[in-house]
Amino acid sequence: QVQLQQSGPGLVKPWETLSLTCTVSGLSIDNNYWSWIRQPAGKGLEWIGRIYPTGSTNYNPSLKSRVAMSVDTTKNLFSLNLSGLTAADTAIYFCAKGGMRRGDAAFDYWGQGTPVTVSS
Amino acid sequence: DIQMTQSPSSVSASVGDRVTITCRASQGINTWVAWYQQRPGTAPKLLIYAASTLQSGVPSRFSGSGSGTDFTLTISSLQPEDSATYYCQQADGFPLTFGGGTKVEIK
Repeated sequence: QVQLQQSGPGLVKPWETLSLTCTVSGLSIDNNYWSWIRQPAGKGLEWIGRIYPTGSTNYNPSLKSRVAMSVDTTKNLFSLNLSGLTAADTAIYFCAKGGMRRGDAAFDYWGQGTPVTVSS
Repeated sequence: DIQMTQSPSSVSASVGDRVTITCRASQGINTWVAWYQQRPGTAPKLLIYAASTLQSGVPSRFSGSGSGTDFTLTISSLQPEDSATYYCQQADGFPLTFGGGTKVEIK
């Protein structure tokens, strides 16, 4: 079955860069959009951005200056880098399959979530 | 950005009750809405996409409707395992955005 396995640190210092990876199994990363979404504790969901296996990206304008996503089709994984971290970036970060506009657009598979705390 | 406004923010109902959650978009988005269920400590789970299409494996007591700016998620007969927070999400424009959530509790 399709599984998304997240990896990365749970504690990051202010002004450093968060790096998370999402490894996909049970499905080729090709021909699908892949997204990162975050959720501060007790709050709602915020879409960070998406990447297509060609490397094409779309980012949320609220984070665009600090976000970079990449994909490694040989390893069937995609990654998130978020720089210039502050306490406001403390959240659970999810990877998910999806990010299309229109059509049958939805996030149908999700990673387990990585709680990230920004603190010195 | 397209704003998605959910109501109510919370609802308490009894097992067997019909529960309705609404989501209003700040502009017309055709039928490009999805609904998710999130239980505490877990990732969201897709219930409905394209406003009314039931995701495979989701119980038929869940249904969605609407188009344009107004959308509805209905649980026809509330079950104990439906205690969760529900989110709508628009897929019409970037950035993709979610509603603020509706917490469903069992009386």
